[in-house]
Parts: sequence; C-alpha cells; structure tokens
Amino acid sequence: GQNIDQPTEMTATEGAIVQINCTYQTSGFNGLFWYQQHAGEAPTFLSYNVLDGLEEKGRFSSFLSRSKGYSYLLLKELQMKDSASYLCAVRDSNYQLIWGAGTKLIIKP
Amino acid sequence: ETGVTQTPRHLVMGMTNKKSLKCEQHLGHNAMYWYKQSAKKPLELMFVYNFKEQTENNSVPSRFSPECPNSSHLFLHLHTLQPEDSALYLCASSSGTESQPQHFGDGTRLSIL
Repeated sequence: GQNIDQPTEMTATEGAIVQINCTYQTSGFNGLFWYQQHAGEAPTFLSYNVLDGLEEKGRFSSFLSRSKGYSYLLLKELQMKDSASYLCAVRDSNYQLIWGAGTKLIIKP
Repeated sequence: ETGVTQTPRHLVMGMTNKKSLKCEQHLGHNAMYWYKQSAKKPLELMFVYNFKEQTENNSVPSRFSPECPNSSHLFLHLHTLQPEDSALYLCASSSGTESQPQHFGDGTRLSIL
C-alpha cells in the first residue's frame, strides 16, 4: 500500500526554527508538495520538490531525498501566524496525490 | 482569496435530506476535485474531473453524486447520508500540469444528525 508518515503534532517557540519531517512509500514518484492549512481554512500551497536537494522560499525551505523516501519542511524565525497544520503530499506513478494526515504545529510565545 | 469558492461554508442535515455542495473556480483551470477531510486523517480523494469528464471515482458510495456542468463549476449532491459522512468537504482545481499545485476552497463543514 501507499503511505505518507508525518508527526501528528509539534510545538516550537516564536523566533525559533522547526523541521517537519515526511517519509513516504508510494508506487512511483512524480513530485512532493507541502501545504499549510490554518484551522477552518483552505490548504494553501507552500512548496514543490521533484529533484533531490533544498528549495528555499523566504523563511520556508523544503528538502527532498528520493533515495530515502524522505522530505522535510524547515520553518525559520517562527511567527505566531505559523501555527497551522502542514500537509505533505506525494504524486505517484499515476499522477494521483497521496496525502499525509498533516502535522499540527503549535507556536508558543 | 484562493480563487476557489465553496458554498455553503457550513451545512447541517438529517439523514433523509437531500442537499448540494457547490464549488466555483476563477483560475481558468481544467481539472477539479472533491476531497473529504476528517480529523487527524489524510485527505481522501473522492472525484476528479478533467475538462468536465469524470476521470476518477475512488469507490465513493452512491449517496454522493458529483456533477460538473463546465470547467468552472463542480457540485456534490448528497442524499441519505450517514453520521460517518460528517466531515469537511474540500474542492480543489488545478491546471493539470505535473508541477502545478492544486488550489483549494475553504471547504464545507458538513454535520449529519
């Protein structure tokens, strides 16, 4: 079967750095997406990785290792508004998105 | 504002009622999706439409009936639902290109009494 694993919940302090991991086992790989979802709102696109390495976008970076079936989302200089759920999704060989259950990130002052 | 609008935002209905969820996208995309999101579970893909044609139906019970009259509009018709159908129903659209993300609406929070 296909599976995406993420921690259920993480807590971090305002101004700090946090890394959210995602491991996957899928039938084929055609890219990995990270989304942010605030409570009661739409998931919004953060990043896309299809080649190994780090993609940086302001305070957020995403890393991919295809050989290890592993990705992480790195959030720097955390702000209270970063409190949200972070969803990892992998596009499989049929170009369907397989979703993780999401990681709820709690930011404390 | 994501460019994908869902109505209503909240819906409470009895098991014998019939209702419809509506989704409209203003992004010029050709693919539209219905997802079910339950607490602490991964998003479940329900239906996919490409250029108004249904291309995916992930073993969804027949009490859920999708309709896509054009590339900008998508409906989910509901009838004789069960309590376990209570969830957030999300609509999304995309251009269909591999690297392009799906854009989501804010969802309809559905509660079945």
